[in-house]
Amino acid sequence: AQSVTQPDIHITVSEGASLELRCNYSYGATPYLFWYVQSPGQGLQLLLKYFSGDTLVQGIKGFEAEFKRSQSSFNLRKPSVHWSDAAEYFCAVGPFTGGGNKLTFGTGTQLKVEL
Amino acid sequence: NAGVMQNPRHLVRRRGQEARLRCSPMKGHSHVYWYRQLPEEGLKFMVYLQKENIIDESGMPKERFSAEFPKEGPSILRIQQVVRGDSAAYFCASSPSVGDEAFFGQGTRLTVV
Repeated sequence: AQSVTQPDIHITVSEGASLELRCNYSYGATPYLFWYVQSPGQGLQLLLKYFSGDTLVQGIKGFEAEFKRSQSSFNLRKPSVHWSDAAEYFCAVGPFTGGGNKLTFGTGTQLKVEL
Repeated sequence: NAGVMQNPRHLVRRRGQEARLRCSPMKGHSHVYWYRQLPEEGLKFMVYLQKENIIDESGMPKERFSAEFPKEGPSILRIQQVVRGDSAAYFCASSPSVGDEAFFGQGTRLTVV
């Protein structure tokens, strides 16, 4: 069965500092990997996704993620965090390039940004 | 083009009542997915529907829960005889096809008292 682990429940960083959110997955077939962000009271917004090719993918809002098959990881990074990045971040894995159907989500990482 | 619209945003029901959650997909989207987010947990897949058809309901509880996506109108997630454990945020997503990016709504937060 597939699973996604986000080991950090809460992370606090200072504005301008770099950020890395960890994600490990277990999946029996070729994984399609996603990172979503959820601001308070909002729906999920897709930050980026990976399904083949270059293992470093660029997303919106200055985020990037690196797929490492040997480590079953898909960590999210940002070089310089802005206060508006404070939100909850979810890593997900699924069988389709578009996500949507049968995504398996991690439990999320709550990001707090200190000014 | 409006996004995925879910209503109501917040719903309070007493134990034993019925809850109806509505999801209007984005224009041109005929695929709808429902997810449930329990407190302190990630989203869990419930059901995938195409117009008038349930494609995959492997994540739906066997009793009290049902979903539909009629030819006209929004998709409905119906929970009969709600219990406290049904309190959660219910998210809907839609896409033009199963391989296209799915867009999520803002969710309906159900509280059972």
